[in-house]
Amino acid sequence: QSALTQPRSVSGSPGQSVTISCTGTSSDVGSYDFVSWYQQHPVKAPKLMIFDVNKRPSGVPDRFSGSKSGNTASLTISGLQAEDEADYYCCSYAGSYTLVFGGGTKLTVL
Amino acid sequence: QLQLQESGPGLVKPSETLSLTCTVSGGSISGSNHYWGWIRQPPGKGLEWIANIYYSGSTAYNPSLKSRATISVDTSKNQFSLNLRSVTAADTAIFYCARVDLSGVGQYPIWLDPWGQGTLVTVSS
Repeated sequence: QSALTQPRSVSGSPGQSVTISCTGTSSDVGSYDFVSWYQQHPVKAPKLMIFDVNKRPSGVPDRFSGSKSGNTASLTISGLQAEDEADYYCCSYAGSYTLVFGGGTKLTVL
Repeated sequence: QLQLQESGPGLVKPSETLSLTCTVSGGSISGSNHYWGWIRQPPGKGLEWIANIYYSGSTAYNPSLKSRATISVDTSKNQFSLNLRSVTAADTAIFYCARVDLSGVGQYPIWLDPWGQGTLVTVSS
């Protein structure tokens, strides 16, 4: 079970859109529509932002959206705001009742 | 509102066993169709899933930690716990507990919410 691959960092200016990719394999991301995304601000616990590839929990702005194609899932944040600056992690069901996380992406709002 | 709180020693000696407990409030572990899980995050690094448990005792482990980790549940106390044996400095991390939602078909663990605030465990002599 290897960690999912995410870019180490992405950046964008306020109002712009950014997309964070999450690449797995045919054993995890590619086989199940069970990808979730978490936002983590410094010294805070992670917060669920997207589940089941593209669903938003109540209270998460619709600026956050998710998608998947093949073995790669993506998180897109549109209309970037300063408070979106954080670390983002993807997570996928990986079979045999196990989960696997991505390495994390640091989003900088310029 | 469901809340989770981790507790346990903040300092563990190398080769000893790390023991943590997660206390669930605002809801019942046994009355809930969810898994309950542990995740860790070494300082400055990413998240790593450790293990899940169902209230009935059914478990799943990260293959890389399976030989050293044991997750258990105490429904009478509304708690679940993690033991990690033979720790080294590489096990120093913030440990989080979380509720894990299940898929409809297959009852697979699929996403984690809510999370506890996390507790830092340092492995050092």
